[in-house]
Amino acid sequence: EAQVTQNPRYLITVTGKKLTVTCSQNMNHEYMSWYRQDPGLGLRQIYYSMNVEVTDKGDVPEGYKVSRKEKRNFPLILESPSPNQTSLYFCASTSGEETQYFGPGTRLLVL
Amino acid sequence: LAKITQPISMDSYEGQEVNITCSHNNIATNDYITWYQQFPSQGPRFIIQGYKTKVTNEVASLFIPADRKSSTLSLPRVSLSDTAVYYCLVGPPPRSNYQLIWGAGTKLIIKP
Repeated sequence: EAQVTQNPRYLITVTGKKLTVTCSQNMNHEYMSWYRQDPGLGLRQIYYSMNVEVTDKGDVPEGYKVSRKEKRNFPLILESPSPNQTSLYFCASTSGEETQYFGPGTRLLVL
Repeated sequence: LAKITQPISMDSYEGQEVNITCSHNNIATNDYITWYQQFPSQGPRFIIQGYKTKVTNEVASLFIPADRKSSTLSLPRVSLSDTAVYYCLVGPPPRSNYQLIWGAGTKLIIKP
């Protein structure tokens, strides 16, 4: 089954404790993105990647890092999380027809 | 970058046609317009995409006027299961810089 998976689905952490949210797709897509979703603000793109070893900033990249060492994986890294990074995070993978397929989401709470 | 405006919420009734309009005054020449649907606790799901004029698929139609400064998503004969948030998205195809701008979403509530 074609899908995008994210782990963990829920995470509670404390300020400053590094964390990684994993994202994996099995559709051999070149393009992947990370979004955060906050009430009243819709989805905002954090980072995107057009291919392996090619990443670029989206709208709200501050406080986040990504890597794309292989095509299927695109982890999101928070080196020193802060409470304003409490949010719902989505990973997306884009087909050649430019349709984005979204993961199930990761709900993060930073205390 | 395009600034996107769409209504915060809309109500309608089962069996009606629903039209949701999105404003994107600063749309760039190579930007596409895409609409996604999102149910609670799920990721957004692709509905339809277009560049100009009219696009129709099995679930919706997308109307884009010649100036492309707005677009209208049309859902024919809605049902209760169409209750969701609908997002308008403007951006270039992935083969360019791929920075995408999303509207804040329109919460559509369908009543029996």
